Amino acid sequence: AQRVTQPEKLLSVFKGAPVELKCNYSYSGSPELFWYVQYSRQRLQLLLRHISRESIKGFTADLNKGETSFHLKKPFAQEEDSAMYYCALRGTGRRALTFGSGTRLQVQP
Amino acid sequence: NAGVTQTPKFQVLKTGQSMTLQCAQDMNHEYMSWYRQDPGMGLRLIHYSVGAGITDQGEVPNGYNVSRSTTEDFPLRLLSAAPSQTSVYFCASTTGSDEQFFGPGTRLTVL
Repeated sequence: AQRVTQPEKLLSVFKGAPVELKCNYSYSGSPELFWYVQYSRQRLQLLLRHISRESIKGFTADLNKGETSFHLKKPFAQEEDSAMYYCALRGTGRRALTFGSGTRLQVQP
Repeated sequence: NAGVTQTPKFQVLKTGQSMTLQCAQDMNHEYMSWYRQDPGMGLRLIHYSVGAGITDQGEVPNGYNVSRSTTEDFPLRLLSAAPSQTSVYFCASTTGSDEQFFGPGTRLTVL
């Protein structure tokens, strides 16, 4: 079975502070990991995926197979980063995603 | 392109009523899926389809039916609504590179 765990329901930081949203997974094969984001009154959208290894809106995430983690990081948070963030996993040979329970990021001025 | 559209945006049902949540996409994606979003539980897969005429169950299929007669449409049917089905429902379609595009959601309340 595959599982995604996001231990923090809410993460509150001040503008300019570093941000780390935690994501741990359990999967016996080689998964593909994603971060999706939902801004207020907007639909859920892809933020980044581990195979692309790119930085989107200043966010990065590295897949750590040893620790089975895919934490989302940003060195300096902005108020517009406030949103709901979901970590998701896709198993080998599957199209469906398994989502974590989500973390709400609040960036205070 | 309109992307993924869902109707209605809001719906209130009484226990035992039936209804269909509509989902359509104009991106010619083969793979489509339905999720429900509940507080503290993230998104859970209800049903999915890998193409017209092919559907399969996800993590929480009980109480829901789907069909896929065309590539564009993937309706979700609640045969006899229950309060436990109060949730926000999202439809998604997936590109060949596995990026999921989500609809705006339908907020359903079952009294």
